[in-house]
Amino acid sequence: SQQGEEDPQALSIQEGENATMNCSYKTSINNLQWYRQNSGRGLVHLILIRSNEREKHSGRLRVTLDTSKKSSSLLITASRAADTASYFCATDASGGGSNYKLTFGKGTLLTVNP
Amino acid sequence: KAGVTQTPRYLIKTRGQQVTLSCSPISGHRSVSWYQQTPGQGLQFLFEYFSETQRNKGNFPGRFSGRQFSNSRSEMNVSTLELGDSALYLCASSPGAGAPSVGGYTFGSGTRLTVV
Repeated sequence: SQQGEEDPQALSIQEGENATMNCSYKTSINNLQWYRQNSGRGLVHLILIRSNEREKHSGRLRVTLDTSKKSSSLLITASRAADTASYFCATDASGGGSNYKLTFGKGTLLTVNP
Repeated sequence: KAGVTQTPRYLIKTRGQQVTLSCSPISGHRSVSWYQQTPGQGLQFLFEYFSETQRNKGNFPGRFSGRQFSNSRSEMNVSTLELGDSALYLCASSPGAGAPSVGGYTFGSGTRLTVV
């Protein structure tokens, strides 16, 4: 079953605008990761935030994590047409010698119009 | 360094047949996990292997199986194929000793399986 739920399911913006995607999850986690997928190809890891972190930055990406609300957000600033892709959040509950898997949400399809 | 290599890229099989997919992880990575992606169910975890041992298995029927070799390469097998097995199958590698580091998991480009 899907633990993460992304919101919105689809987002269309103009180049230069910011894009914000949200993710909610249900169980305790070790970390939460965001991935990007272009046109049904492989997933590309974007950023990982641990359960004891609240915010993380990487280039034009900013991720926040609120473990009390079991939610995360991904902000892409100054978007480009090349950012057009599907974005997935994935929770990782690994730890204590068990799990070793990612549980994905259904993803947000981001379209950046030139 | 070379990424995660999945072969073949595309595959067409007939219902009832069986199929074997291959995944070569990044050199030095000892964990390989497999995921199935369909439009209806999204990305679902199949199983994970570390040092030739299956550490976790998803909620899939016994027709889905896998193994890992001593060089960390992994194969997954689906027997008695059904139309619903049509999907993109992705494998991911990580160093594997525990939860991933900041780099997360590295995914291959996938094998697109079509069952007719």
